[in-house]
Amino acid sequence: SQQGEEDPQALSIQEGENATMNCSYKTSINNLQWYRQNSGRGLVHLILIRSNEREKHSGRLRVTLDTSKKSSSLLITASRAADTASYFCAGPMDSNYQLIWGAGTKLIIKP
Amino acid sequence: GAGVSQSPRYKVAKRGQDVALRCDPISGHVSLFWYQQALGQGPEFLTYFQNEAQLDKSGLPSDRFFAERPEGSVSTLKIQRTQQEDSAVYLCASSSRTTDNEQFFGPGTRLTVL
Repeated sequence: SQQGEEDPQALSIQEGENATMNCSYKTSINNLQWYRQNSGRGLVHLILIRSNEREKHSGRLRVTLDTSKKSSSLLITASRAADTASYFCAGPMDSNYQLIWGAGTKLIIKP
Repeated sequence: GAGVSQSPRYKVAKRGQDVALRCDPISGHVSLFWYQQALGQGPEFLTYFQNEAQLDKSGLPSDRFFAERPEGSVSTLKIQRTQQEDSAVYLCASSSRTTDNEQFFGPGTRLTVL
């Protein structure tokens, strides 16, 4: 079963453009996390947003959370070739430790 | 160590063989997770340890899968009588907290069962 569902499944943009990915989830959460996965570095945690937060920034990343719609978005500004990767959202189930993952958005940055 | 390490990185097994996959978490991390990731999919939870206690093994797909963490640090995931459907990347992650956990992942072990 998947807690998160990313949209779009794949996204291809020019270097320098902004990339936006969306995540919808099923059950109530106390936080939502975004991860990046590429062949070089494996799965890397990007940012965690708590249920009482609406927006969070980290460098070129901006995450929003709308708990009423059970959705989150990840914005990457001024994209770089190194941002090419798959991006996953993950949310904990009731246990608070078990993360349930979506299938990911595959992002390709064209030089 | 600097991060989570896993070994081997790649494993090819013949159907019916037993395999053992090792995870070395970040030193001092209380929580340890095993995930299975199929191609093009997100990780699927297998099992969770808090120190040496296996608190949740609800994601293990069959009784052929067994995990242990006897001293609360290194963990081993064992798969007995491997089947072709076991082919996947097996990811280990550790976390310093028990909740609201940012997880640090190892590079994974790619298992191919022929």
